Amino acid sequence: EAGVAQSPRYKIIEKRQSVAFWCNPISGHATLYWYQQILGQGPKLLIQFQNNGVVDDSQLPKDRFSAERLKGVDSTLKIQPAKLEDSAMYLCASSPTSYNSPLHFGNGTRLTVT
Amino acid sequence: GESVGLHLPTLSVQEGDNSIINCAYSNSASDYFIWYKQESGKGPQFIIDIRSNMDKRQGQRVTVLLNKTVKHLSLQIAATQPGDSAVYFCATRHSDMRFGAGTRLTVKP
Repeated sequence: EAGVAQSPRYKIIEKRQSVAFWCNPISGHATLYWYQQILGQGPKLLIQFQNNGVVDDSQLPKDRFSAERLKGVDSTLKIQPAKLEDSAMYLCASSPTSYNSPLHFGNGTRLTVT
Repeated sequence: GESVGLHLPTLSVQEGDNSIINCAYSNSASDYFIWYKQESGKGPQFIIDIRSNMDKRQGQRVTVLLNKTVKHLSLQIAATQPGDSAVYFCATRHSDMRFGAGTRLTVKP
């Protein structure tokens, strides 16, 4: 089966600019996650979708981050305006269900904010 | 609050030796546990999982042990190979999936 697809692979922007990341999960996976991974740390959950509804966005900085999953398939994560501390790897993952099934990760987007 | 931690940030082993990577978790309500491997520039890759009603599970060259009494999880890799060099994360699930900080495994030839 095809894996989780993410684009772009790399992005460099200046602070206060905006940026968007795209994710296409594994076909048939109902649950989609966005994680932020700062260099040298473990992934931190930003938002979790079940189909096209938000299950958990408690750790999403909603003043600057937004995410959507229209039609319950692809998802986009946006940052506007970006800050220096947003420099990180943004990982998308999907799973067949939201409980007791492993997450399948894409290879992420490496964001550098200068 | 819940935390997921690892005992050592780095581990270096000789090729062919067995590796043991440890993880402590704080939420006793966690009922699902996963080990992931992450190579440089890639996303985490699923290795093995275990549910809280088990204390041991084996895969190909890997074994996960779960001790719920002391809230401890370990990953054992048999006959470690250079391709096993990566960062290893434990993750626990209660309401969401939480990751530890990772252990970097280096395999010396």
